Amino acid sequence: DIQMTQSPSSLSASVGDSVTITCRPSQSISTFLNWFQQKPGKAPKLLISAVSSLQSGVPSRFSGSASGTDFTLTISSLQPEDFATYYCQQSYNIPWTFGQGTKVEIK
Amino acid sequence: QVQLQESGPGLVKPSQTLSLTCTVSGGSISSGSYYWSWIRQPAGKGLEWIGRIHSSGSTNYNPSLKGRVTISVDTSKSQFSLKLNSVTAADTAVYYCARGGAMVAPFDYWGQGILVTVSS
Repeated sequence: DIQMTQSPSSLSASVGDSVTITCRPSQSISTFLNWFQQKPGKAPKLLISAVSSLQSGVPSRFSGSASGTDFTLTISSLQPEDFATYYCQQSYNIPWTFGQGTKVEIK
Repeated sequence: QVQLQESGPGLVKPSQTLSLTCTVSGGSISSGSYYWSWIRQPAGKGLEWIGRIHSSGSTNYNPSLKGRVTISVDTSKSQFSLKLNSVTAADTAVYYCARGGAMVAPFDYWGQGILVTVSS
């Protein structure tokens, strides 16, 4: 199985801050990397697919990129509704696997 | 707008079979080349993909579940189902159904989730 390692596991930030979450797969996954946002008691929501393709309706402050073997999710100006847990997921090899999650909390 | 809704018992006894159904509305389960997946999440933990089915009936499962999983589809009812046998407390989780589970078709629509507790 491909292991997906996210960092950090949690972070505290203020409204207006820019935050970056990193995801590192245990092997190459080409561009088959997706990002999800999950709020307490809710199902995950697909934010970004294929590294950087923003889903319809997702604010442009969310962006995804790749650098070397790492993938990053950036939220450019954190809004109150962005406080949530974020997961990366690879869709390169079955079984599809998720990162352990990064909880973004209010400072 | 595609909608998915999980249904089934919220309590299952150890060693028995967990059975859940996902009803799809707002779109045909057999249209396009979509896969339909089950994903679960133990309380306070991360997401685990369980398996997927195509409207053709083709399936793939997570090997971590050691052959305890069966996913089936009923296109006439626009439903797909999950059976997980020989459950233990470790199978207690929120179970989600979702559309997607292909290389270029990620999980884009999700059900609200259903909590299944394994306990005697």
